[in-house]
Amino acid sequence: GQQLNQSPQSMFIQEGEDVSMNCTSSSIFNTWLWYKQDPGEGPVLLIALYKAGELTSNGRLTAQFGITRKDSFLNISASIPSDVGIYFCAGLVSGGSNYKLTFGKGTLLTVNP
Amino acid sequence: EAQVTQNPRYLITVTGKKLTVTCSQNMNHEYMSWYRQDPGLGLRQIYYSMNVEVTDKGDVPEGYKVSRKEKRNFPLILESPSPNQTSLYFCASSFYRGNGYTFGSGTRLTVV
Repeated sequence: GQQLNQSPQSMFIQEGEDVSMNCTSSSIFNTWLWYKQDPGEGPVLLIALYKAGELTSNGRLTAQFGITRKDSFLNISASIPSDVGIYFCAGLVSGGSNYKLTFGKGTLLTVNP
Repeated sequence: EAQVTQNPRYLITVTGKKLTVTCSQNMNHEYMSWYRQDPGLGLRQIYYSMNVEVTDKGDVPEGYKVSRKEKRNFPLILESPSPNQTSLYFCASSFYRGNGYTFGSGTRLTVV
């Protein structure tokens, strides 16, 4: 089945630093999504990308849909302590009856104040 | 408030004792899905539903059942739970394919 390789697995940074994480796949996706999961909660959608090459921002977050449609990255600028959590990429292939998101294994972000 | 509500949040049960985890959404979403989250394995889809009375298997359906008798509800049924079903379960819903799922807060299940 489809797999997403998400890296890095974890990051330890100082408050104020910028962060970058990415996902790659051997499969083509029509939609890329980035989620954040806080401890004890479900994932929350941060950014959705629908077109190859698309660059989208949401506050301090910026994400891009790779030209090849096989990758995506997420940048967080000027990190703050509440950015702590697990970040997941997810890919979606259109068509067929299943609406299944394929998830990466996540990036655990720790921000030291 | 638009949300996906799962119950219970925590459950400890014994092997073989049937249980149901309920899921309800108040957003009139067509798509609903169940995922399990395990360390090192990420989120894996168990079952999904495109609409009332339309359900199908995801990647890891063995040992689970679902039903979709009403649009808002999508319960997950474990007829005979086993310890390998100990996991964190999430229900999710979406109005439009490609719009991203809205997730519930999760149900932490332990089977002893």
